[in-house]
Amino acid sequence: DAGVTQSPTHLIKTRGQHVTLRCSPISGHKSVSWYQQVLGQGPQFIFQYYEKEERGRGNFPDRFSARQFPNYSSELNVNALLLGDSALYLCASSVTGGAFGYTFGSGTRLTVV
Amino acid sequence: DQQVKQNSPSLSVQEGRISILNCDYTNSMFDYFLWYKKYPAEGPTFLISISSIKDKNEDGRFTVFLNKSAKHLSLHIVPSQPGDSAVYFCAASDANYGQNFVFGPGTRLSVLP
Repeated sequence: DAGVTQSPTHLIKTRGQHVTLRCSPISGHKSVSWYQQVLGQGPQFIFQYYEKEERGRGNFPDRFSARQFPNYSSELNVNALLLGDSALYLCASSVTGGAFGYTFGSGTRLTVV
Repeated sequence: DQQVKQNSPSLSVQEGRISILNCDYTNSMFDYFLWYKKYPAEGPTFLISISSIKDKNEDGRFTVFLNKSAKHLSLHIVPSQPGDSAVYFCAASDANYGQNFVFGPGTRLSVLP
């Protein structure tokens, strides 16, 4: 069975640009969460979607947005990139979004120059 | 304001000995705790969890202890193996947080052969 897949694996963008990161959950998982991990810190919660609706949002500016599609895949969009947005972006899926059964993807490494 | 703290950035242990990783939290509403392990270039993988109604949970070589009055939990690995070398994240959740997690900054464990 395929795990959580994220694309691209690495990305370099320039300040002010826009980026879209993609995530495909494990088959049967209806919830997707996004986390940002800055070097030397733990993952920080950005969004959770369940059944295509936003269930939770972390303390991130409005430049960050996300959506979930009917096939439960998800996109994370970041506008007007800042140098501080450079991080590993992790996607996690679970069946219901509850505390059990979180599976993370390998992440997308975003570098903003 | 770090709600989940792991005050030891790194820990080195000899193979076969016990590894003890510590985690402290400040939010008394947290009622579910997890440990994740992360290898380089991979996403975090779930290791073991404990709910606030318990004070101990074991799974093979891994045991998590929870001291609610001290707002402290620890992960014991016995015996430690070189393959355990990774970054370990403590994470906490509460029902009011939408079932998403607050992660600590991680502790890098090195198990020396």
